[in-house]
Amino acid sequence: GAVVSQHPSWVICKSGTSVKIECRSLDFQATTMFWYRQFPKQSLMLMATSNEGSKATYEQGVEKDKFLINHASLTLSTLTVTSAHPEDSSFYICSAGAGQVGQPQHFGDGTRLSIL
Amino acid sequence: QKEVEQNSGPLSVPEGAIASLNCTYSDRGSQSFFWYRQYSGKSPELIMFIYSNGDKEDGRFTAQLNKASQYVSLLIRDSQPSDSATYLCAVNPQGGKLIFGQGTELSVKP
Repeated sequence: GAVVSQHPSWVICKSGTSVKIECRSLDFQATTMFWYRQFPKQSLMLMATSNEGSKATYEQGVEKDKFLINHASLTLSTLTVTSAHPEDSSFYICSAGAGQVGQPQHFGDGTRLSIL
Repeated sequence: QKEVEQNSGPLSVPEGAIASLNCTYSDRGSQSFFWYRQYSGKSPELIMFIYSNGDKEDGRFTAQLNKASQYVSLLIRDSQPSDSATYLCAVNPQGGKLIFGQGTELSVKP
């Protein structure tokens, strides 16, 4: 089945640090990947849609200068949390679909980000 | 009105019983419907997907879709303690992005 790999699993760093999270589709090509954030006891919140070779599409209220997305190849998207602060601490998850629009999305294992 | 609604639960069922999880959605143009299972601290895992009205069965899981009523459900037969998790309903109204419900927490008691 479709496998999505996300790295790193855990990040603990000081306030003001920028953190990069990678999302890879291992056995398929993904022109579109999605980035979510999840706070404890809450559902997934879509942050942005990552499009290969073009700019990401951000959801309302998500700061594009704060959360930089790069989708340079058909198997890799990266999310960089710039100048992270404690309120950015959350569970970040990416997803990708192997098929056409409307086909199932498969999730990476997520990255737990803790900003001290 | 939220686009995708689920009862947050917790829903508690005894081991061996049928667990019934429900979801309603607001966009009549939605074409694809998904159920994900999420264990605490983990990312969501795809359980079932359904596109057509009616039932779709996969092992102990059955997804049911009624587009006229804008309703999709997930039945888990012979529930096991390992089924205890949060179940997320997701709908694909248009394009590639999914709209998630808030999830229903299921607890299966031994």
